[in-house]
Amino acid sequence: EAEVAQSPRYKITEKSQAVAFWCDPISGHATLYWYRQILGQGPELLVQFQDESVVDDSQLPKDRFSAERLKGVDSTLKIQPAELGDSAMYLCASSFSSGRSDTQYFGPGTRLTVL
Amino acid sequence: AQSVAQPEDQVNVAEGNPLTVKCTYSVSGNPYLFWYVQYPNRGLQFLLKYITGDNLVKGSYGFEAEFNKSQTSFHLKKPSALVSDSALYFCAVRDFILTGGGNKLTFGTGTQLKVEL
Repeated sequence: EAEVAQSPRYKITEKSQAVAFWCDPISGHATLYWYRQILGQGPELLVQFQDESVVDDSQLPKDRFSAERLKGVDSTLKIQPAELGDSAMYLCASSFSSGRSDTQYFGPGTRLTVL
Repeated sequence: AQSVAQPEDQVNVAEGNPLTVKCTYSVSGNPYLFWYVQYPNRGLQFLLKYITGDNLVKGSYGFEAEFNKSQTSFHLKKPSALVSDSALYFCAVRDFILTGGGNKLTFGTGTQLKVEL
C-alpha cells in the first residue's frame, strides 16, 4: 500500500537554528499539505500545494517558515530561525486532487523539539 | 468559519463492549466529515468519511459513523471494542474555500480512547 514518506522522524535543534523537513507524497497525488500538530491539539494547516503552486498559506508564519514543491512532487518545509514555540509534530498529507470528497493521507510525521 | 467539537477528552470502555466517540460540527453549507485515528508518535490514519448519501458510513477496522443532520453530529461507533483500538481519535470537517481551491481539513481536539480488559 502506497504511503506518504517523511524525514527525519525526529529532530532536536537549538533555538535560532535552521531546520528542514522533507515529504514525498503518494505517487500521482497532485495535492500536498503541511500541518502542524501541537501536543494535545488537532493538526492545523500550514500550507497547501496544488502541483507546484501554493493554494493556501494563510496560516504559515512567513517571517520564519517557508515551503516549496519545485517539481510538483516532493516538498520541503523550512524553519529559520527556530523558536521554542515551534516544538510540535509536523505532518505531511497528500490527496489525489483538491476535490471536496478526496481523502487526505498522512505521513508518519516529524517530531521537532526546540531547546 | 467551520468547526468541529469533540466534547470528551477521554473515553474508557471495556473490551467487547460497544464504543462511541462523539463529534459535532458547525458548517454553513453541506458538511464533508472525516474520522482519523492516531497512534503514539505516528501520523493520522484515515478511518472513514461522509460525503453524501447513506447516513451510516462504514469504515476500516470495523468502525462506522452515523451522520445526523438535525443534531449536527457525526459520532464514531464500533459494536465490540478491542484493546488494540486504544488510540487518539480525531473528527474533521472539510472547509472548502471558494477562492483559490483550498480545501483544508479543520480538526477537533481529539478524544483519547482507552479500551481495557
